Amino acid sequence: GAVVSQHPSRVICKSGTSVKIECRSLDFQATTMFWYRQFPKKSLMLMATSNEGSKATYEQGVEKDKFLINHASLTLSTLTVTSAHPEDSSFYICSVPKSSYEQYFGPGTRLTVT
Amino acid sequence: GEDVEQSLFLSVREGDSSVINCTYTDSSSTYLYWYKQEPGAGLQLLTYIFSNMDMKQDQRLTVLLNKKDKHLSLRIADTQTGDSAIYFCAETYAGNTPLVFGKGTRLSVIA
Repeated sequence: GAVVSQHPSRVICKSGTSVKIECRSLDFQATTMFWYRQFPKKSLMLMATSNEGSKATYEQGVEKDKFLINHASLTLSTLTVTSAHPEDSSFYICSVPKSSYEQYFGPGTRLTVT
Repeated sequence: GEDVEQSLFLSVREGDSSVINCTYTDSSSTYLYWYKQEPGAGLQLLTYIFSNMDMKQDQRLTVLLNKKDKHLSLRIADTQTGDSAIYFCAETYAGNTPLVFGKGTRLSVIA
């Protein structure tokens, strides 16, 4: 069964509003989770590393004030897209390392900003 | 910098074998992965191989690693229509670090 969940799976929001996406590890704890963004028919682009108990680490070109990450607990990280615009529409996926060599991905959240 | 390359498309007939190829540039890669993504879904971990291995077999899947050439391949035996998906090759130097992905190979299985 799934080891990483994401909620919601789909969300449509109006331009200017904020959207929160949750990523949960279901049967294990993780001090680190990763957030990726995937454009249609493209590969995954790492956005940021979510660290439990400390600030997230953002990749170059990713606005930290726009994409707020909170690693609330050892099983939960949230990504909030603030003041969303149509260009933020994308597929957002989290991944969670379970062991020294296993990483599991959530099912993804499709965000559509109208 | 890090780079992972894959061919974009592969089409095979049902029952044949599929071979998806990947090359990477980071010689410090320790873990190499194959993920499967079906339309609108997340990534499913298919298999992984450590850099000190040459081959790994798991049921219909065979992974070959040529570390000298930095070449990774995934062979799917007896390919079925349910195998139609995008397959991503990915690498990292440590298991708890983010993965670097290839652009994905779209596998189409013709019945």
